[in-house]
Amino acid sequence: DTEVTQTPKHLVMGMTNKKSLKCEQHMGHRAMYWYKQKAKKPPELMFVYSYEKLSINESVPSRFSPECPNSSLLNLHLHALQPEDSALYLCASSPLLPRDSRLSGAFFGQGTRLTVV
Amino acid sequence: GNSVTQMEGPVTLSEEAFLTINCTYTATGYPSLFWYVQYPGEGLQLLLKATKADDKGSNKGFEATYRKETTSFHLEKGSVQVSDSAVYFCALRVSFMEGLDTGNQFYFGTGTSLTVIP
Repeated sequence: DTEVTQTPKHLVMGMTNKKSLKCEQHMGHRAMYWYKQKAKKPPELMFVYSYEKLSINESVPSRFSPECPNSSLLNLHLHALQPEDSALYLCASSPLLPRDSRLSGAFFGQGTRLTVV
Repeated sequence: GNSVTQMEGPVTLSEEAFLTINCTYTATGYPSLFWYVQYPGEGLQLLLKATKADDKGSNKGFEATYRKETTSFHLEKGSVQVSDSAVYFCALRVSFMEGLDTGNQFYFGTGTSLTVIP
């Protein structure tokens, strides 16, 4: 299984709503990532989890709250978003161990297309 | 610092034409290089990779060679097909080997949109 599964695929939410994006992988990867991608732009790193601990937060607003409940799951909790937060949200995973880390890049999910109205 | 500079697009080619998309990088630490492809409405798929100098990554007719002396990782394909139309991202990963609480970071180029016409 070399897949990263993201749910939902599409999400429309109001500015006062609370919602969560979910990501799951069963490749044993111990690094997991959230990226935000606007149309015709490259993915922008938001958060990195290493061994289920938050290791990188790229100055993301607090209305985005990540959570890594175990080594296979990654969530992104959304609250009080703005219309400019509408984007494709991509989850990715990669191995961390030195003996594995040079053997593959990051595996990406299909993304959640988020629209804030 | 760490960064990727990628050829600006969009690129339009006729079917069976030769493709080159340039990519250069700057890196500290332990770099590995990747090409990702993104089809409309989808996530990123790893196309090929190289993890040390002079490595050649190849997949589906695409090739790229990690040139440390020119800090480049140009993507090439000898004969493109309509189905190759997509956005291509060059990416750099710099691994930090010290400390369990340090994650890998991937740096992406701006992407190059390729359209292949019959």
